[in-house]
Amino acid sequence: QKEVEQDPGPLSVPEGAIVSLNCTYSNSAFQYFMWYRQYSRKGPELLMYTYSSGNKEDGRFTAQVDKSSKYISLFIRDSQPSDSATYLCAMSGNTGGFKTIFGAGTRLFVKA
Amino acid sequence: DAEITQSPRHKITETGRQVTLACHQTWNHNNMFWYRQDLGHGLRLIHYSYGVHDTNKGEVSDGYSVSRSNTEDLPLTLESAASSQTSVYFCASSESAGGPDNEQFFGPGTRLTVL
Repeated sequence: QKEVEQDPGPLSVPEGAIVSLNCTYSNSAFQYFMWYRQYSRKGPELLMYTYSSGNKEDGRFTAQVDKSSKYISLFIRDSQPSDSATYLCAMSGNTGGFKTIFGAGTRLFVKA
Repeated sequence: DAEITQSPRHKITETGRQVTLACHQTWNHNNMFWYRQDLGHGLRLIHYSYGVHDTNKGEVSDGYSVSRSNTEDLPLTLESAASSQTSVYFCASSESAGGPDNEQFFGPGTRLTVL
């Protein structure tokens, strides 16, 4: 079993839809939870960062962490074609030297 | 502006050849990482370094080596390239290994094909 599980998609939605992206994990030592966005043929870039449980909102993006269920989510409101990218969840904690473990990434297509 | 660069961007090589991929960052970060990205596997850690002369093996280190002689550079060497090493390779750096400053900044990637 992988430490971090993420459905690779692809996920295709119409413009304006609400998108929900999710990851599950098995290591309860994870404390820092991140979402990276990767456009085609580019390197990943940090989109959202959350420490421990709770919600964090940034514009159209909301990150949720439920440590009791070992489940994290990224919501995108009013999705735009420019949101089309691969979204990778990532997490780290006080284990294994704070290495960051990445999910496989979910490919998202937003159709105009 | 600070940045992280990789070279070459594309490389085609033959089985058995030694290949070195370069990574250079101007963030002055102590931590540097090499990942490979393959469909269905996401980013897998190959090697990482927490400072000059420090190197550590990651999840998929067999067949790869790194050395860190200064803060800015972490070259990745494939000792004897194999077709299974055909992949996209990303270098990254971060200010800290954990906590709120552990955002990793990624290079543009090197697409390596081993024939």
